[in-house]
Amino acid sequence: NAGVMQNPRHLVRRRGQEARLRCSPMKGHSHVYWYRQLPEEGLKFMVYLQKENIIDESGMPKERFSAEFPKEGPSILRIQQVVRGDSAAYFCASSPDTMNTEAFFGQGTRLTVV
Amino acid sequence: AQSVTQLDSHVSVSEGTPVLLRCNYSSSYSPSLFWYVQHPNKGLQLLLKYTSAATLVKGINGFEAEFKKSETSFHLTKPSAHMSDAAEYFCVVSLMNTGFQKLVFGTGTRLLVSP
Repeated sequence: NAGVMQNPRHLVRRRGQEARLRCSPMKGHSHVYWYRQLPEEGLKFMVYLQKENIIDESGMPKERFSAEFPKEGPSILRIQQVVRGDSAAYFCASSPDTMNTEAFFGQGTRLTVV
Repeated sequence: AQSVTQLDSHVSVSEGTPVLLRCNYSSSYSPSLFWYVQHPNKGLQLLLKYTSAATLVKGINGFEAEFKKSETSFHLTKPSAHMSDAAEYFCVVSLMNTGFQKLVFGTGTRLLVSP
């Protein structure tokens, strides 16, 4: 059973471009979470999704950021018109249900905006 | 509001000596607490978790943590450090009032192990 797969591992974008980060949850997991880790900081919750539904996006910046988890395929975190401050590591986690179960994390995508 | 405070940003130990990484929590509810480890350029791995069962929790790689309600602490310990333990460690609390497992991370403690 493969773990949570994130790609790409490293992504470099120029200011103003779009960044697309992908996350394939573990087999059998229908709950996906995205977290952002800014340099020298802990992870901060961004968004929680189930298949075809955004359940909680209270940690998402109001503009330029969006997330989806379609019926088929990976979850996508999309950042439009990236700025230098978006440079961070973005981690995806998945779990089989909502509570009292371990969330398994992927290896993250390190986004660098130049 | 639920939160965790990691008291040390860096901890340095010699190989073979004990490790103590400190964490205090703040919670209105009986919390679920975790320790995660992050090796350089790697993802996060769960070391151990406390979910209101035994107060002394044993994890992987010889780590353990003790939940002390009176001190609102959940410190991580290991009797003897190994070079491979050098990594970033995060104390994490799970928010219980959101309907799902929303994790709140501490700022991390970097463990340095010298020969």
